[in-house]
Amino acid sequence: DVKVTQSSRYLVKRTGEKVFLECVQDMDHENMFWYRQDPGLGLRLIYFSYDVKMKEKGDIPEGYSVSREKKERFSLILESASTNQTSMYLCASSRRAGRGANVLTFGAGSRLTVL
Amino acid sequence: AQSVTQLGSHVSVSEGALVLLRCNYSSSVPPYLFWYVQYPNQGLQLLLKYTSAATLVKGINGFEAEFKKSETSFHLTKPSAHMSDAAEYFCAVSSSGNTPLVFGKGTRLSVIA
Repeated sequence: DVKVTQSSRYLVKRTGEKVFLECVQDMDHENMFWYRQDPGLGLRLIYFSYDVKMKEKGDIPEGYSVSREKKERFSLILESASTNQTSMYLCASSRRAGRGANVLTFGAGSRLTVL
Repeated sequence: AQSVTQLGSHVSVSEGALVLLRCNYSSSVPPYLFWYVQYPNQGLQLLLKYTSAATLVKGINGFEAEFKKSETSFHLTKPSAHMSDAAEYFCAVSSSGNTPLVFGKGTRLSVIA
């Protein structure tokens, strides 16, 4: 069964800590995405990547960075966590072209609480 | 720029009743449109997608959606609600096959026995 795996389902961190959220997909997808989900706001795009070592800013990149050193892995980094980054973080991947392009496969999510 | 508006943050229906979840989009080019569903404590999964083929799109679990260009709408329907349909539903739009999806704010569907 193909899937997107997010390493941590629940995290609790303190203000100012550096936080790493890891995402791995086993579908050989070119594209990978990080969204955050907040009640009443839906999903908002943080960063995305169309290839290894490539990254593009989404709609709300402030306070975040990403790393994509391998095709299957896309990491989201909070350099200095703040309470307003308490949220559900969703990783997704998709094919670049052909059948199924732009169809996102999502991970189960990582719920981050910053105290 | 693309955008999606989902009318109604919460919809409640009785079991066996029609489900109608509304989605209107804004796109400067012919859009790709999607509906995703999120069950509690899970990620999103694809219900159906429109990619300029048939305007009536059938998805999983008995759901379907109709693309109406004149109304810029892509409403999701199911003839008869089941308790297991209780979830949050998201409409999304993309302007091409390889641009990030823009999601609506979601509609939570409750099904009453």
